[in-house]
Amino acid sequence: SQQGEEDPQALSIQEGENATMNCSYKTSINNLQWYRQNSGRGLVHLILIRSNEREKHSGRLRVTLDTSKKSSSLLITASRAADTASYFCATGGGSNYKLTFGKGTLLTVNP
Amino acid sequence: DADVTQTPRNRITKTGKRIMLECSQTKGHDRMYWYRQDPGLGLRLIYYSFDVKDINKGEISDGYSVSRQAQAKFSLSLESAIPNQTALYFCATSDRTVGDTQYFGPGTRLTVL
Repeated sequence: SQQGEEDPQALSIQEGENATMNCSYKTSINNLQWYRQNSGRGLVHLILIRSNEREKHSGRLRVTLDTSKKSSSLLITASRAADTASYFCATGGGSNYKLTFGKGTLLTVNP
Repeated sequence: DADVTQTPRNRITKTGKRIMLECSQTKGHDRMYWYRQDPGLGLRLIYYSFDVKDINKGEISDGYSVSRQAQAKFSLSLESAIPNQTALYFCATSDRTVGDTQYFGPGTRLTVL
């Protein structure tokens, strides 16, 4: 069963705009990760945020985590056409190292 | 990620055939995973292995089997393929000494007619 659920399912924006995707989960977590998938290709790890962290940055990516609300958000600033992809959150890890992925948000950045 | 390779990349087969998908990694990771991806359903874990002698079922293991031939190789078999096993299959690896990040292969697109 899915632990994380991304919202929205699809997002279309213009180049240069910011894109925000959200992830909600149900049970307590050790960490939460975001992955990116270009059409039909393997997932690529973007960023990991631990349960004791509230915000993390990596380049144009900003991730927040609110464990009280069991939610996370991924912000991509100054988006580019090359950011067009599906974005997945994944929860779990810890002692068993299993991850549970959400269904993803399809981001389309129009030139 | 070129460090995780999957063969074949595409396969079309018929109902009832036995199929093997192979995964190899040069990352030196101890943990390996098989997922399937269906449109609108995200990734679902089929099997995972924490070392050569440790293999575990995931959430959708029925109809599948695996073999961890070596630390670097993890194969997924469909004993008797059926059309609803048509999907995109991914292998992934992780390193217990580093953490929870998983590294994915390019995927195998399997079609069962």
